Amino acid sequence: AQSVTQLGSHVSVSEGALVLLRCNYSSSVPPYLFWYVQYPNQGLQLLLKYTSAATLVKGINGFEAEFKKSETSFHLTKPSAHMSDAAEYFCAVSDTRSGGYQKVTFGTGTKLQVIP
Amino acid sequence: GAVVSQHPSRVICKSGTSVKIECRSLDFQATTMFWYRQFPKQSLMLMATSNEGSKATYEQGVEKDKFLINHASLTLSTLTVTSAHPEDSSFYICSASLPGTGPDTQYFGPGTRLTVL
Repeated sequence: AQSVTQLGSHVSVSEGALVLLRCNYSSSVPPYLFWYVQYPNQGLQLLLKYTSAATLVKGINGFEAEFKKSETSFHLTKPSAHMSDAAEYFCAVSDTRSGGYQKVTFGTGTKLQVIP
Repeated sequence: GAVVSQHPSRVICKSGTSVKIECRSLDFQATTMFWYRQFPKQSLMLMATSNEGSKATYEQGVEKDKFLINHASLTLSTLTVTSAHPEDSSFYICSASLPGTGPDTQYFGPGTRLTVL
């Protein structure tokens, strides 16, 4: 069974500092991995996805993530935090189920606080 | 592109009534839509996968008769919470897969907050 583990339910950074949100995955097959962002009382917005092409994936809003198979990790980073980055971030993994459709499994989320 | 809408955004109902939530893909046809439930300060839990023209596939532990899903067209899926009770209060989010964008890129609606009194 696939799963993702997000280390740290809350992360605080100063404005302008590096953002690092950690995600480790478990999958029996090469995974597809995603990072989503959720603002209060809103749905999820796709930040970026890994689909077995380049291991360094660039997303929207200056975020990027690096797939490291040896570490089974897919950490999300941004060089310089902005106040508007304050939100909850979800790492997710997908696999193919019988019947052909795919199920996405989400991590428990990391709430990012940006301190002015 | 790839916009998904939900209606209503908020609903308050009395215990025992039924509530219908609509999920629409506005600028693409979605053969598959997904319904999630999110409890406060928790992650999304997949409730069911909705395929156009066929019965929804429910996750283990989700009551089919409680949460009725209909996917009558390529742009609309509905979730009906029947005989709602306070424990059904939650944030319900739908998503739709965009064909041709690779594996499981799901585009999410803005969510519906259901409060059952």
